[in-house]
Amino acid sequence: AQTVTQSQPEMSVQEAETVTLSCTYDTSESDYYLFWYKQPPSRQMILVIRQEAYKQQNATENRFSVNFQKAAKSFSLKISDSQLGDAAMYFCAPQAMRFGAGTRLTVKP
Amino acid sequence: DSGVTQTPKHLITATGQRVTLRCSPRSGDLSVYWYQQSLDQGLQFLIQYYNGEERAKGNILERFSAQQFPDLHSELNLSSLELGDSALYFCASSVGGRATGELFFGEGSRLTVL
Repeated sequence: AQTVTQSQPEMSVQEAETVTLSCTYDTSESDYYLFWYKQPPSRQMILVIRQEAYKQQNATENRFSVNFQKAAKSFSLKISDSQLGDAAMYFCAPQAMRFGAGTRLTVKP
Repeated sequence: DSGVTQTPKHLITATGQRVTLRCSPRSGDLSVYWYQQSLDQGLQFLIQYYNGEERAKGNILERFSAQQFPDLHSELNLSSLELGDSALYFCASSVGGRATGELFFGEGSRLTVL
């Protein structure tokens, strides 16, 4: 089975600092998208950022950016200037059928 | 607001019972996905429908079934419920049928089996 690995079950960051969440995956697709979703305590699933695999440029959305290494099948999420509202579970998803187990991010004031 | 509507938001029932969860996708979206999320777990993919046809199947139990109707809304039927079926059930929709498309999630239906 194709796997998605988020090797950090929990992460903690100080407010205003930067944190990176890791994700590795395998796929047989050549053209695909990758996504990071956020799930705050409300349990709503919210799209954070997406990356098109054929683009070499890493995607950026405000304080969120990715480091996409296609050959290594790695797709990490960097959160800059962390805010208390960033506290949530973060899920990596290279495909709709496959989500990582999630990383719980705590933001300390 | 994602545009995806799920009902009911909360449901409490007893073991052995049957329930139906409903999902209306975003206008224009042809794919509907169903997921199960048990407490503090990740999302487990159950099944995908695309334009009325089953497109992909995940770890869906035989006691569970789903369908997508001509108006594109979908229903997930859970029968012979067990305590372990207690979970948050998400529906998501996307425009196309490929599994690489962006998903838009509903707010989920929280099922509690007593």
